[in-house]
Amino acid sequence: DAGVIQSPRHEVTEMGQEVTLRCKPISGHDYLFWYRQTMMRGLELLIYFNNNVPIDDSGMPEDRFSAKMPNASFSTLKIQPSEPRDSAVYFCASSPRGGYTEAFFGQGTRLTVV
Amino acid sequence: GENVEQHPSTLSVQEGDSAVIKCTYSDSASNYFPWYKQELGKGPQLIIDIRSNVGEKKDQRIAVTLNKTAKHFSLHITETQPEDSAVYFCAAPTRGGSQGNLIFGKGTKLSVKP
Repeated sequence: DAGVIQSPRHEVTEMGQEVTLRCKPISGHDYLFWYRQTMMRGLELLIYFNNNVPIDDSGMPEDRFSAKMPNASFSTLKIQPSEPRDSAVYFCASSPRGGYTEAFFGQGTRLTVV
Repeated sequence: GENVEQHPSTLSVQEGDSAVIKCTYSDSASNYFPWYKQELGKGPQLIIDIRSNVGEKKDQRIAVTLNKTAKHFSLHITETQPEDSAVYFCAAPTRGGSQGNLIFGKGTKLSVKP
């Protein structure tokens, strides 16, 4: 397995534009997580899914953020409209059984909003 | 919910010395404590974890100790090498024993000087 695959690796966009980040989890993993990493706040959980169903989205900062998981092999995180303070590295991770087991992280997407 | 505190935020050691990173957690029901290593430009990767039924676990030069009474756990790296330089995160599951997501500490940047 190639691991968790995220795209794009880097994204530079102008304020107000829509941004879509993509993630392919490891096959067979039931949990998928979206994290945001910044120097100030560290690794923050935005939302996680269990069997494609969103379980906890309390970490999503605003209504500008939305996430979907239409099937077991694909998830998106969308920001519309984007703002400079959204600049961060966004990680997708998957795991077989949630908090009790290893979470496998993707390489991340570095988002810069100018 | 769970709260994880990690310290120090930065740690510099000479090659060959030992390094210790400490974390405290708030939820006494938590029973799984992983440590992740994040190298520059990559996602975090699990290096060792411990469950609450043991007090210590070793894997070559790294070890983790757990004190459930005091609600803290520590990462020990012996005979440090330059390739150990990275950011290390501790974590604990949210909502105690439920299979939710992981809450991460703020991270410790370890620098090993040759």
